[in-house]
Amino acid sequence: QLVLTQSPSASASLGASVKFTCTLSSGHSSYAIAWHQQQPEKGPRYLMKVNSDGSHIKGDGIPDRFSGSSSGAERYLTISSLQSEDEADYYCQTWGTGILFGGGTKLTVL
Amino acid sequence: EVQLVESGGGLVQPGGSLRLSCAASGFTFSDHYMDWVRQAPGKGLEWVGRSRNKANNYTTEYAASVKGRFTISRDDSKNSLYLQMNSLKTEDTAVYYCAGAIVGAIDYWGQGTLVTVSS
Repeated sequence: QLVLTQSPSASASLGASVKFTCTLSSGHSSYAIAWHQQQPEKGPRYLMKVNSDGSHIKGDGIPDRFSGSSSGAERYLTISSLQSEDEADYYCQTWGTGILFGGGTKLTVL
Repeated sequence: EVQLVESGGGLVQPGGSLRLSCAASGFTFSDHYMDWVRQAPGKGLEWVGRSRNKANNYTTEYAASVKGRFTISRDDSKNSLYLQMNSLKTEDTAVYYCAGAIVGAIDYWGQGTLVTVSS
């Protein structure tokens, strides 16, 4: 069964970096995923697609501070030089039979 | 500029029906798979269903929680997506988002419309 696992929360200081992990369930390590950001009281925003080889395709207007990578069944989103507006929920998403989302990680910028 | 604008949300009683619409612009709607995704208050994102594009015969798929009650349709001539919701339950209360995807990854999102199911 395809499942995406994310930690529920993360925190980092202004100007620092943070790395989010999305783990694909056993047997699904070749799947690509997409990362989405949801700021408070707003709709989600597509950030990037991350492939199993670590290559990634960012959405229009996504700053260079955002990058993606992969290792095995894990897909990562790294944000460097954290800004206050990065405080948001971050969801990973994949597809197979239908669409599946991870539970989301809430980022607090200290 | 890409825009997805949802409409049609509101308050409905349990057992009632509602039809949501999504107007798209700024991208080639006919090439895209289109999804409905919802978010219950204080919860995460939940996929509702999908309409594939013309090349894939406009086939549809639904989450188990809404299958048989919700129906997705699209009109490429109007760049519009629809969600017909019947037999609504209190647990269907959520913000409903329209989203566009090239096959798998959702790359466009709307701002959402709130559906409240309550007596």
